[in-house]
Amino acid sequence: EDQVTQSPEALRLQEGESSSLNCSYTVSGLRGLFWYRQDPGKGPEFLFTLYSAGEEKEKERLKATLTKKESFLHITAPKPEDSATYLCAVQGGSNYKLTFGKGTLLTVNP
Amino acid sequence: EAEVAQSPRYKITEKSQAVAFWCDPISGHATLYWYRQILGQGPELLVQFQDESVVDDSQLPKDRFSAERLKGVDSTLKIQPAELGDSAMYLCASSLTGYTDTQYFGPGTRLTVL
Repeated sequence: EDQVTQSPEALRLQEGESSSLNCSYTVSGLRGLFWYRQDPGKGPEFLFTLYSAGEEKEKERLKATLTKKESFLHITAPKPEDSATYLCAVQGGSNYKLTFGKGTLLTVNP
Repeated sequence: EAEVAQSPRYKITEKSQAVAFWCDPISGHATLYWYRQILGQGPELLVQFQDESVVDDSQLPKDRFSAERLKGVDSTLKIQPAELGDSAMYLCASSLTGYTDTQYFGPGTRLTVL
């Protein structure tokens, strides 16, 4: 069974204070690892897909990286508008089903 | 920009009543997903459609939940009867083909069962 563990559960940063969120996973045959952002009361918003170890993708202040066992979402010089829950999901096996972690609640204070 | 539409956005009902949620995926997307998200948890897949066919409903509580996508476009998820434990966010997502394509989510329906 595919499993995703995200840490920390919650992270509070000052504006401009860079940090990283972790996503550890176990999956039989990784097809893709997905990062989503979710604002309170809204649906998840797609950020990145990573397909193989060593791959990196960037978008504004966010950078996602992937190894064979985990993925990191690096946030550089965050702003208050980056406050949200960040969800990690893996897709593996034969049914292309997404398995999500519980998410990391990020709060960026001005 | 194309989006997944869902309605209603909020639903309050009493236990033992019937509720229904509607989803209209992004135009041209063959695969449609219904997820349930309990507060503080990640979304969990309830059912997946490829066009009008169900390809995965292993986590759907079939004694009370049903889902259909009759013409392979929009979809309805029904709960009858609703129980207190069904209170959650119900999310609809769609993807182009259902393989490694990105899943795009709608705004969700927040269900409260009293």
